[in-house]
Amino acid sequence: NAGVTQTPKFRVLKTGQSMTLLCAQDMNHEYMYWYRQDPGMGLRLIHYSVGEGTTAKGEVPDGYNVSRLKKQNFLLGLESAAPSQTSVYFCASSYRQSSNEKLFFGSGTQLSVL
Amino acid sequence: AQTVTQSQPEMSVQEAETVTLSCTYDTSESNYYLFWYKQPPSRQMILVIRQEAYKQQNATENRFSVNFQKAAKSFSLKISDSQLGDTAMYFCAFKGTNAGKSTFGDGTTLTVKP
Repeated sequence: NAGVTQTPKFRVLKTGQSMTLLCAQDMNHEYMYWYRQDPGMGLRLIHYSVGEGTTAKGEVPDGYNVSRLKKQNFLLGLESAAPSQTSVYFCASSYRQSSNEKLFFGSGTQLSVL
Repeated sequence: AQTVTQSQPEMSVQEAETVTLSCTYDTSESNYYLFWYKQPPSRQMILVIRQEAYKQQNATENRFSVNFQKAAKSFSLKISDSQLGDTAMYFCAFKGTNAGKSTFGDGTTLTVKP
């Protein structure tokens, strides 16, 4: 089972460049999330989606955009990358809104912005 | 807004011994779930154990158990008979009823020594 797949796994950008991170899940999950993980700061929510065609801001949305055109895909875009966006990015999904639903995570994308 | 605090950035334990990781949280919600996730060096986050706030009985999963003190808003993870494969970063997470969003602590890096 593929679960949650993130591409790419590694990327190096120059300041000002743009890129899109792709998250795909094959579990028919309604909810999808993008987190960033920085040393000593845990996981912080960037954006999330509660269903196809919907997106919402999380805790640290500035500098990022997202789209959920298809239920199985959740894209995270950086229009003009900055060194402060150097981080490990995780996509996660869950089936329902219920509090007992665990998150399924991708394996992360290591992004460096020079 | 919810907050989750893990006060132990790093811990170590000898193989076969027991270790307890601490987590405290703050919330005004009455119905919620608490989770412990494990992130090994591979970066793949997996669920270790979860606890519903309404259940008084502490959750147990094989060698992993929790000590849930609702009044004190404390949710510690006990790992018994520690194994080398338990070496990982452990995240405590809170999940309420707001669009299924999870709030994570900053993590505790656990090293199991042979």
